[in-house]
Amino acid sequence: DGGITQSPKYLFRKEGQNVTLSCEQNLNHDAMYWYRQDPGQGLRLIYYSQIVNDFQKGDIAEGYSVSREKKESFPLTVTSAQKNPTAFYLCASSISGNARSGELFFGEGSRLTVL
Amino acid sequence: QKEVEQNSGPLSVPEGAIASLNCTYSDRVSQSFFWYRQYSGKSPELIMSIYSNGDKEDGRFTAQLNKASQYVSLLIRDSQPSDSATYLCALRGDNYGQNFVFGPGTRLSVLP
Repeated sequence: DGGITQSPKYLFRKEGQNVTLSCEQNLNHDAMYWYRQDPGQGLRLIYYSQIVNDFQKGDIAEGYSVSREKKESFPLTVTSAQKNPTAFYLCASSISGNARSGELFFGEGSRLTVL
Repeated sequence: QKEVEQNSGPLSVPEGAIASLNCTYSDRVSQSFFWYRQYSGKSPELIMSIYSNGDKEDGRFTAQLNKASQYVSLLIRDSQPSDSATYLCALRGDNYGQNFVFGPGTRLSVLP
């Protein structure tokens, strides 16, 4: 079955640690995205990538880093510089970066808690 | 003005009634519009997409788009308790770097 796989689903981090969230898709989509969602709030864009080896900052990129070495994979690292990382992280993909086509499909999410 | 606005709710409707969810947006050249449903603790799932003015129906769901008035709505007929969720309005357009912009969501509660 085609889809987006995020791992881990739940992650606990001590302050000062970097953590990496995995996102893999087998939909052959060109564009991939990372969003953050805080309780009772909407989705905020962290980073996005429209092609391999290229990515752009979203609205809240500070304290995060990404890579896009393969079309299928778009991992997100939450660094110790992110002051309030506890949140629900959503990876998504769309068929292309063209605004005239393509819905956004989401993975199941990763819930990060800082202890 | 925020880019995408929705009434946060909660919107409560009795089972079997029509639920009407509304969304307004600020960018006139937005091209694509979407409604997502998100259950508590889960990821959003696509309900409807609409690209042209008018109505688009899919089962119990109808999306309505009016670009001149800059609003998009979602009607849910014969509402069921299982429809209780947060509904996110989203759009996509060149002015946003071809990215998706989400509203804050409307929480719908369907009462048995």
